[in-house]
Amino acid sequence: DIQMTQSPSSVSASVGDRVTITCRASQDISTWLAWYQQKPGKAPKFLIYAASNLQSGVPSRFSGSGSGTDFILTISSLQPEDFGTYYCQQANSFPQITFGQGTRLEIK
Amino acid sequence: EVQLVESGGGLIQPGGSLRLSCAASGFTVSSNYMSWVRQAPGKGLEWVSVIYSGGSTYYADSVKGRFSISRDNSKNTLYLQINSLRADDTAVYYCARGFYSYSSGYSPSPTGFFDYWGQGTLVTVSS
Repeated sequence: DIQMTQSPSSVSASVGDRVTITCRASQDISTWLAWYQQKPGKAPKFLIYAASNLQSGVPSRFSGSGSGTDFILTISSLQPEDFGTYYCQQANSFPQITFGQGTRLEIK
Repeated sequence: EVQLVESGGGLIQPGGSLRLSCAASGFTVSSNYMSWVRQAPGKGLEWVSVIYSGGSTYYADSVKGRFSISRDNSKNTLYLQINSLRADDTAVYYCARGFYSYSSGYSPSPTGFFDYWGQGTLVTVSS
């Protein structure tokens, strides 16, 4: 199984800050990576696919980069509504997909 | 508008069975790959099962042999039959629609990602 490891596990930042979250795969997954945002008690929201493609309707302050084993989700200017937990997901071994353990983002 | 509405969760004793439903609107379930993903209380997301548009099904090792995914095309509904329930099956169960890539210019390709999710249904396994 492909393991996905996110860092940090949690982060606290202020409105306007630039925030980065890292996701590392246990083996090469090319760009078969997505990012999701989940708010407490809600379903995950699809943000980015194929490592760097922004899903329709997602604000442009979100961006993704990386390939192979190392990936980054960046929020260029943090907004109050960006709190929640962020998950990466690999699909290189689809249908056996796996998620990262999540990164909790708190607004200071 | 795409909507997914899960139902069927509840409190069930260990060893029991339950069938979860996911009613879809705004698209055709049988034309998409569909998955179930679960989330134990306070934990991360865990993929459970997928059914392809062609009907092929796949399962996570943790549920293989106990869970069964299916769909009713006439009702545009996805199901998850869960048997031999254990305490570690306690979770919110989400259904999710598969996301297709159109970048190749040919037929849309399944990506393994999920663009729409339901609100989830809670399954609690406890005596």
